[in-house]
Amino acid sequence: EIVLTQSPATLSLSPGERATLSCRASQSVSTYLAWYQQKPGQAPRLLIYDASNRATGIPARFSGSGSGTDFTLTISSLEPEDFAVYYCQQRVNWPPLTFGGGTKVEIK
Amino acid sequence: QVQLVESGGGVVQPGGSLTLSCAASGFTFSNYGMHWVRHAPGKGLEWVSFIRLDGISKYYADSVKGRFTISRDNSKNTLYLQMSSLEAEDTAVYYCAKDVRIGVYDYWGQGTLVTVSS
Repeated sequence: EIVLTQSPATLSLSPGERATLSCRASQSVSTYLAWYQQKPGQAPRLLIYDASNRATGIPARFSGSGSGTDFTLTISSLEPEDFAVYYCQQRVNWPPLTFGGGTKVEIK
Repeated sequence: QVQLVESGGGVVQPGGSLTLSCAASGFTFSNYGMHWVRHAPGKGLEWVSFIRLDGISKYYADSVKGRFTISRDNSKNTLYLQMSSLEAEDTAVYYCAKDVRIGVYDYWGQGTLVTVSS
């Protein structure tokens, strides 16, 4: 099973600041990595798939990069609606499809 | 627009059974694989099961294998999850999710809460 480790667990930032979230895989996932955003009481939303492809309707301030074992989700300038929990997820080696433990982006 | 609506959650005793449903609309259900993903209180997301579009190939997380059964009825645009021998650790919000490319979920339902407690 591929283990995904996200860091930091919590990121405290102010609106307008840049957010950089990390996801590290226990073995290579090539570029088969996605990012999801989840707000309290809501379903997750697909942001990025295959490491760097924005999903339909996702603002350009969200970008993904990386390959192999190290990946980054960057939010270039935080909007108030971006404060949420973010999960990475791999699909190269399944079952199981696995998620990281999440990074909470909170208002400083 | 794509809609996924889960139902069937509730409170069940340990060892009990429950069947979840997910009614799909706004897309050609029979053309897509479907997943169940759960979110336990205070924990992260956990993939539970996947069924391919033809309903024949099915996959499960080890934590539910042998206890949960995924199925679909393409004539009714509905996905199911039969859960038996439920344990406290199965307590979670269960989401159905549409697969856009194997293992990428582009639409999710709002979830249904399953609580396993005596």
